[in-house]
Amino acid sequence: DGGITQSPKYLFRKEGQNVTLSCEQNLNHDAMYWYRQDPGQGLRLIYYSQIVNDFQKGDIAEGYSVSREKKESFPLTVTSAQKNPTAFYLCASSTSGGTSSYEQYFGPGTRLTVT
Amino acid sequence: RKEVEQDPGPFNVPEGATVAFNCTYSNSASQSFFWYRQDCRKEPKLLMSVYSSGNEDGRFTAQLNRASQYISLLIRDSKLSDSATYLCVGGNYGGSQGNLIFGKGTKLSVKP
Repeated sequence: DGGITQSPKYLFRKEGQNVTLSCEQNLNHDAMYWYRQDPGQGLRLIYYSQIVNDFQKGDIAEGYSVSREKKESFPLTVTSAQKNPTAFYLCASSTSGGTSSYEQYFGPGTRLTVT
Repeated sequence: RKEVEQDPGPFNVPEGATVAFNCTYSNSASQSFFWYRQDCRKEPKLLMSVYSSGNEDGRFTAQLNRASQYISLLIRDSKLSDSATYLCVGGNYGGSQGNLIFGKGTKLSVKP
């Protein structure tokens, strides 16, 4: 089955530790995205990548880093510099069509709790 | 800042009711619009794309009014399983072409 996988589903970390969230897709999509969702809030874009070996900051990139070495994979690292890392992290992918915005498909998300 | 605005609700309706959600967008250059559904503590799932001519999928109808920069979603004959948060989404033109701007969602609760 084609889809997007994220692991782990729940993650607990101590303050001051970096943590990497996994996102893999087998939809052959060029574009991948990371969002953060806080309770009662909308999705906020952290980073996105429209092609391998290239990525761009979203609206709230501070304290996060990404890599895109393979088309299928777009891991997100939450660094100790992120002031409020506890959140629901969602990865998505879509076809990439220049100036067009295509529908995005989401993975099941990772709930990160930092204490 | 390009925004998508929605009434947060909650909308509490009985089974079988017809309910309509509205959404406004500020980026007049946006060409693509979508409705997503998000269940509690789950990921958003694409419900339907919104076309200029309007489109229907079973009990769901989406409309786009470009002149008023307004999108709507109509749900007929509500089911208990329709209870969820509905996200209005617009394509973002500008610095991050190809990206989507998500509204904060409208919560629907269908009661027996």
